[in-house]
Amino acid sequence: QQQVKQSPQSLIVQKGGISIINCAYENTAFDYFPWYQQFPGKGPALLIAIRPDVSEKKEGRFTISFNKSAKQFSLHIMDSQPGDSATYFCAASMRGGADGLTFGKGTHLIIQP
Amino acid sequence: DAGITQSPRHKVTETGTPVTLRCHQTENHRYMYWYRQDPGHGLRLIHYSYGVKDTDKGEVSDGYSVSRSKTEDFLLTLESATSSQTSVYFCAITDKLNTEAFFGQGTRLTVV
Repeated sequence: QQQVKQSPQSLIVQKGGISIINCAYENTAFDYFPWYQQFPGKGPALLIAIRPDVSEKKEGRFTISFNKSAKQFSLHIMDSQPGDSATYFCAASMRGGADGLTFGKGTHLIIQP
Repeated sequence: DAGITQSPRHKVTETGTPVTLRCHQTENHRYMYWYRQDPGHGLRLIHYSYGVKDTDKGEVSDGYSVSRSKTEDFLLTLESATSSQTSVYFCAITDKLNTEAFFGQGTRLTVV
């Protein structure tokens, strides 16, 4: 049973455009929702995270939108740049992450110059 | 990489042999995790530790065991490697709950 569903699997966006990646979760006990960015040959690195008591969080060009009633959250990358080309993972955890993260399957994002 | 060292970085082993992967941290973080990453599956939790000698199973723990005898070291052992355990293995650490988990560079394991 996949607890965090991520879409799309791959995404191509023109430079300067908006990249949008969506995730849906099933377990209402999740209380922490991070997004990780991974470049080839590297480990994932935290990009931005949100808790369910807020509906939106923005850090620079990156925004998480969170819809608790729909059990969905999304990552928006504004003014997408070629350097943003990477694989993005949404994740969720409960008990503050003590039991580890449950990841989506990832989105391979390509920003075309 | 937040003071996390995984070793070895690459390993090729034969089916049926035991394999141990090591994760060493210099951050004195309490929580340590082992994940495996496979195409089309994202990252999946194998085992985790919330302190010395305190470990628990994750989503895909069958065929794996772990040990944590010191705060800084978390070992992952494949008792008898199988081809289905060919994967990239990542160690992660975190200190406080609801905060960033830092990942190591990964170990690419191939079982032939």
